[in-house]
Amino acid sequence: DAGVIQSPRHEVTEMGQEVTLRCKPISGHDYLFWYRQTMMRGLELLIYFNNNVPIDDSGMPEDRFSAKMPNASFSTLKIQPSEPRDSAVYFCASSLGAWGEKLFFGSGTQLSVL
Amino acid sequence: KQEVTQIPAALSVPEGENLVLNCSFTDSAIYNLQWFRQDPGKGLTSLLLIQSSQREQTSGRLNASLDKSSGRSTLYIAASQPGDSATYLCAVREIYNQGGKLIFGQGTELSVKP
Repeated sequence: DAGVIQSPRHEVTEMGQEVTLRCKPISGHDYLFWYRQTMMRGLELLIYFNNNVPIDDSGMPEDRFSAKMPNASFSTLKIQPSEPRDSAVYFCASSLGAWGEKLFFGSGTQLSVL
Repeated sequence: KQEVTQIPAALSVPEGENLVLNCSFTDSAIYNLQWFRQDPGKGLTSLLLIQSSQREQTSGRLNASLDKSSGRSTLYIAASQPGDSATYLCAVREIYNQGGKLIFGQGTELSVKP
């Protein structure tokens, strides 16, 4: 398996623009997580899905952030409008089951909002 | 609120040395604990997963221990190599969460000098 695939690897945009990050989880995994990593706050869970259904979105910072999982092999994280403080590395991760299973991370999207 | 702390924040050792990385957590009601490795510009790779009922897990030169009652875990790396240079993060999964949230430490940045 190719692992968790994220695109784009790097995104540079201007404040106010819409940004869409994409993720393809490992085939067969039923849990998908979106994390954000910054120097100041470390790794933060934004939202996670189980069988394509959002379970906990309490980590989504504000209404400008939204996430969807239309099918088992694709998820998006959208920021509209983007702000400079959204600059971070955004990771997608997946697992087979949640409680006792290892988490597999993608390589991340480095987002810079100017 | 669960807090995960890793000490030291950075560590530099000569090649061949055995070393220990520390992780502490404030709430012992955890389901499991994972150790991850993160290389610069890359995602996280799960190294070892210790369930709450276990005391340790081993993989090659890596050994992770868990003392749930004292809220501590250690990652032991034997005969360190320059290729071990990376940031190591620990993360706990709480019992109360509905299978989702991993709480991460800030990581220990390890540098192994040839």
